Amino acid sequence: DAGVTQSPTHLIKTRGQQVTLRCSPKSGHDTVSWYQQALGQGPQFIFQYYEEEERQRGNFPDRFSGHQFPNYSSELNVNALLLGDSALYLCASSLGFRRARTEAFFGQGTRLTVV
Amino acid sequence: AQSVAQPEDQVNVAEGNPLTVKCTYSVSGNPYLFWYVQYPNRGLQFLLKYITGDNLVKGSYGFEAEFNKSQTSFHLKKPSALVSDSALYFCAVRDPGANNLFFGTGTRLTVIP
Repeated sequence: DAGVTQSPTHLIKTRGQQVTLRCSPKSGHDTVSWYQQALGQGPQFIFQYYEEEERQRGNFPDRFSGHQFPNYSSELNVNALLLGDSALYLCASSLGFRRARTEAFFGQGTRLTVV
Repeated sequence: AQSVAQPEDQVNVAEGNPLTVKCTYSVSGNPYLFWYVQYPNRGLQFLLKYITGDNLVKGSYGFEAEFNKSQTSFHLKKPSALVSDSALYFCAVRDPGANNLFFGTGTRLTVIP
């Protein structure tokens, strides 16, 4: 049973560019969340997708956007990259929306470096 | 508003000794609490959760956690530490009315052979 998979694992971009990160949820999961983990910090919630719609959003600017596809996979897009966007981006999947009792399963992350 | 505090950035323990990683939380209503572990260059792995019921929760790899409502704490414990337990540990809380996890800043556990 494949867990949560993310691609690419590492990425280097130039300030001002745009980036797309991809995530395939654990088999059977229909809800995908994205988190940003800056160096030395805990993960911070960016947004969550369920039924191809953004359902909840954290305190991140509109430069951060996403998408969920019919097969439940998801993309995170970041426009106009800033140096401060350098971080580990984590995708988490879970089963069901508003099922707060269920644990989330995380991918290995995409390490984004903005230069 | 929900928040999590992990008061220790670093915990060192000798192999074979018991370990404790501390976590306190603040949330409106009854909390859902989670512990995750992160190994270098890896994502987060789920260890255990408290939803309701018995205050002592048992999880993966011999870890357990004790929920204390009066002290708003959810400390992670293990009776006998292994060198392979060395990693970064995150406590997280979820407000029952929300979907996202709110994480602490993490505690780096080092088990000394």
